[in-house]
Amino acid sequence: QSALTQPASVSGSPGQSITISCSGTTSDVGGYNYVSWYQQHPGKAPKLIIYDVSHRPSGVSNRFSGSKSGNTASLTISGLQAEDEAYYFCSSFTITSNPGVFGTGTKVTVL
Amino acid sequence: EVQLLESTGGLVQPGGSLRLSCAASGFTFSSYAMSWVRQAPGKGLEWVSALSPGGSPSYHADSVKGRFTVSRDNSKNTLYLQMDSLRADDTAVYYCARARESHAWIYSMDVWGRGTTVTVSS
Repeated sequence: QSALTQPASVSGSPGQSITISCSGTTSDVGGYNYVSWYQQHPGKAPKLIIYDVSHRPSGVSNRFSGSKSGNTASLTISGLQAEDEAYYFCSSFTITSNPGVFGTGTKVTVL
Repeated sequence: EVQLLESTGGLVQPGGSLRLSCAASGFTFSSYAMSWVRQAPGKGLEWVSALSPGGSPSYHADSVKGRFTVSRDNSKNTLYLQMDSLRADDTAVYYCARARESHAWIYSMDVWGRGTTVTVSS
């Protein structure tokens, strides 16, 4: 099972909005509403910030939002803050392997 | 407090074995599917294994199939990963993680351990 495709890096200035894409196939992203997003700061464990495409866990800022169109899911961070500088990984349920597949990861830089 | 705590990893020679454990606290462990996820140095996340609340079924990534075995002891609130025939490319930080929803499969993971480092080298 190949990893989902994400851009290697995305950057933005404080206060701006950025969007990270996560491209898959009809066997994973496009076929199921089980896309999640994780934020990971260096040396730390991943943190769930979006599940089931667009739902936020309790305690996660509403500046994070998720969506999906066809085989591509997206994570948007609005009102970018310095603390948002981290790596972001998408994941999805997939029919071709269990339990699922992660994206390649995106480094977000706050300029 | 909901918490997962992995055992200390270590340095293992190629071909060797190691068993990781993950102690859960603060929630009803037996109600949740659990996973092991690893991250090689400077790389992304890779799903290694997953296990349903009752202990079956279990799933393993192709990269570890036949070498790693995931199990759990619900009476001890502990998840295990038995790693045999270790290779250099198994070198990674290993995280245990909990399914977000009880009595459901692992579509997302909302509680993660701090991770434990396994190094395979001669």
